[in-house]
Amino acid sequence: EVQLVQSGAEVKKPGESLKISCKGSGYSFTSYWIGWVRQMPGKGLEWMGIIYPGDSDTRYSPSFQGQVTISADKSISTAYLQWSSLKASDTAMYYCARRNGYNNLDYWGQGTLVTVSS
Amino acid sequence: QSALTQPPSASGSPGQSVTISCTGTSSDVGGYNYVSWYQQHPGKAPKLMIYEVSKRPSGVPDRFSGSKSGNTASLTVSGLQAEDEADYYCSSYAGSNNFDVVFGGGTKLTVL
Repeated sequence: EVQLVQSGAEVKKPGESLKISCKGSGYSFTSYWIGWVRQMPGKGLEWMGIIYPGDSDTRYSPSFQGQVTISADKSISTAYLQWSSLKASDTAMYYCARRNGYNNLDYWGQGTLVTVSS
Repeated sequence: QSALTQPPSASGSPGQSVTISCTGTSSDVGGYNYVSWYQQHPGKAPKLMIYEVSKRPSGVPDRFSGSKSGNTASLTVSGLQAEDEADYYCSSYAGSNNFDVVFGGGTKLTVL
């Protein structure tokens, strides 16, 4: 069974750093791109970027370029999303999803809620 | 990339059909047959319902269908059921430079 399991909810202060994770199982982790999607409270889905764990090829949406870093450790089938200095506006639910083909996010993680508040 | 345009809400009675539109441009919806639709229930992760304009993943009821004409894609839900009440998001591939993907703003489907 394909599964993406994300790390738990985080509460951080502005300026702090954070790295959340997404662990894949039940399929060849190095053969599919993993994307990250942001959903701010009460809002829609936003595409952040994507990584190919096989060779760590990473692409960012222009809106998120320079704001976050996407990485992966294929030895433990885990992708990451990290911030070096959080802002209150980073408060959101973050989902990872497996990309199958050009635009099919066929399996999703359960989401990680990030709350940034002083 | 600008978000795709969806109506904020749609509704129908049980058993009826409802269609949700998703309008983009020739750089996304109109330029590729890579439109997907996702269903999201409150507090849950999105679920893929339609991919490549009109294909259904295994397990998705055939009451859900997709189509495209020009720069507008559509999702039709036939034989509405109470469990279809959810938010629906369209998405389109938008070019290979950054493997860019663009989402619609979402449509809240209410089953009356």
